[in-house]
Amino acid sequence: DAGVTQTPRHEVAEKGQTIILKCEPVSGHNDLFWYRQTKIQGLELLSYFRSKSLMEDGGAFKDRFKAEMLNSSFSTLKIQPTEPKDSAVYLCASSVGGNQDTQYFGPGTRLLVL
Amino acid sequence: GEKVEQHESTLSVREGDSAVINCTYTDTASSYFPWYKQEAGKSLHFVIDIRSNVDRKQSQRLTVLLDKKAKRFSLHITATQPEDSAIYFCAARNSAGNKLTFGIGTRVLVRP
Repeated sequence: DAGVTQTPRHEVAEKGQTIILKCEPVSGHNDLFWYRQTKIQGLELLSYFRSKSLMEDGGAFKDRFKAEMLNSSFSTLKIQPTEPKDSAVYLCASSVGGNQDTQYFGPGTRLLVL
Repeated sequence: GEKVEQHESTLSVREGDSAVINCTYTDTASSYFPWYKQEAGKSLHFVIDIRSNVDRKQSQRLTVLLDKKAKRFSLHITATQPEDSAIYFCAARNSAGNKLTFGIGTRVLVRP
């Protein structure tokens, strides 16, 4: 079984650019999560989808971050415009949902904004 | 909202000894507590979890203890091996949804 896949694995952007990160959850999983990981803040939830419906759109991240789930097997995270403070690892995770809570994480996208 | 505090930022143990990582949470409604491991340069992967209907769970060399009164849970690794070296994250989830709140992580180093 394929796990969670994320592309690209690395991204370098200039300040002000728009970048789009992609995620494919585990097949059959109903819940999808986007996290940002930094050394100082740790793991912060950006967005949470259940059966393609947006359940949580992390408050502090709303203005420049937009996650979408166009179908059950694909999600994108758009950052527009990027700022140097957005440099971090962006992780996508999925879970079956309901009482099956275990989240399976993708390899992440390491973003550097210059 | 929920806050999860992970008390040890780093832990250095000798190979074969035990390691203990402690976490506390704030939301009394939290009922699910997973632990994740992140090895150098890799993503997180699930290692063990505990639900609030039990106070202890063991899987091979890993044991999780839960003290609901103190809102505290801990991960015990016995007979540590070099491959246990990693960052360990605790997390908590309440029954209202599937959102996890993570601790900041504990770096465990197993010395030969």
